[in-house]
Amino acid sequence: DAGITQSPRYKITETGRQVTLMCHQTWSHSYMFWYRQDLGHGLRLIYYSAAADITDKGEVPDGYVVSRSKTENFPLTLESATRSQTSVYFCASSELGQQFPGELFFGEGSRLTVL
Amino acid sequence: GQNIDQPTEMTATEGAIVQINCTYQTSGFNGLFWYQQHAGEAPTFLSYNVLDGLEEKGRFSSFLSRSKGYSYLLLKELQMKDSASYLCAVRSYSGGGADGLTFGKGTHLIIQP
Repeated sequence: DAGITQSPRYKITETGRQVTLMCHQTWSHSYMFWYRQDLGHGLRLIYYSAAADITDKGEVPDGYVVSRSKTENFPLTLESATRSQTSVYFCASSELGQQFPGELFFGEGSRLTVL
Repeated sequence: GQNIDQPTEMTATEGAIVQINCTYQTSGFNGLFWYQQHAGEAPTFLSYNVLDGLEEKGRFSSFLSRSKGYSYLLLKELQMKDSASYLCAVRSYSGGGADGLTFGKGTHLIIQP
């Protein structure tokens, strides 16, 4: 089915470990985004990508790495996880154009706990 | 930077009408979005305003005043399933492309019978 999927949905890891959250979309949207959602902060943008091989930092990029070698995939890596990175991570995609206002379509989220 | 404010929590009665306000401060404004998010789920798109005025979509309407940096989401004929968080989000165009949306912290709407 077409859509945007994230994996894993739930992950528990330990401080200092590397974790990669996967995101895959089948719409061929140009834009992809990673947000984290925390109580009291709402959704905050980590990184985004306008096309394959083009990425840019958002509001809270420290401690995260992204890549986009293919249009449909946008993995997010925590190089050395910290407890402050315990959060729910949402991947989203969008398209812009005269017919598209550019609303974001979100994946189901990945709930990460760092012990 | 950008600043988006909306009430933390609101309570309303089934069948009634509720208005959720959002004020924002941003440069390069390029659209305002409302999303609905049920507990434990992903946000889903409700409405989009880029010009001043009211956009109506069934029981939901959204209003924008760019000069005042103000928007509201109006929900009519409230149903229990409308209990959710409502997120106001702003897109700013930096000239380098479409940046991600900046979200407010959300308004938790509780519907009572």
